[in-house]
Amino acid sequence: TQLLEQSPQFLSIQEGENLTVYCNSSSVFSSLQWYRQEPGEGPVLLVTVVTGGEVKKLKRLTFQFGDARKDSSLHITAAQPGDTGLYLCAGGQGGKLIFGQGTELSVKP
Amino acid sequence: NAGVTQTPKFQVLKTGQSMTLQCAQDMNHNSMYWYRQDPGMGLRLIYYSASEGTTDKGEVPNGYNVSRLNKREFSLRLESAAPSQTSVYFCASSGGRGGSGELFFGEGSRLTVL
Repeated sequence: TQLLEQSPQFLSIQEGENLTVYCNSSSVFSSLQWYRQEPGEGPVLLVTVVTGGEVKKLKRLTFQFGDARKDSSLHITAAQPGDTGLYLCAGGQGGKLIFGQGTELSVKP
Repeated sequence: NAGVTQTPKFQVLKTGQSMTLQCAQDMNHNSMYWYRQDPGMGLRLIYYSASEGTTDKGEVPNGYNVSRLNKREFSLRLESAAPSQTSVYFCASSGGRGGSGELFFGEGSRLTVL
């Protein structure tokens, strides 16, 4: 059983569409991070959220941390082919970072 | 700008063979981690080291051992490799505490066990 459940696991959309990826858990996290990974490389941090209800924006990406600090979402507006990749959420708990299973996003031109 | 360096990048083993994955970071980070990545499973924590001289088990430690050689280096050893250990292994380091800091990852080591 995954501590952090991401949905959907796969998403294939056309350029210009909007999308939301969800990261849910029954556990409370001290912080939650979102990473993006491209083939053959390690994940790279996009954002960290630490306060319940926090919203952060990174250009066309909007990240939200749930009020109870158990869930998070990533919303992409007007997706572009360059957004294609694996998106991973990760929760901080007890000195370590636990990852969700990831969302594979494909944006077609 | 080396960051986190892992060796080897590729390795093929036969069942029962042993090997060590090496990891070194040059960012003076206290915490280091070993993850494995399998399709549809995300990244699963094998072992981590919050500081030099300490190591702790993660989610999937069975079949692995680690050594925090010094502040820079954190190695992962497979004593008797099994096909279930076929995976991509990532080493990461962090300057933060309690899992809140940014993780910097190496490029990964692709291991195949026949």
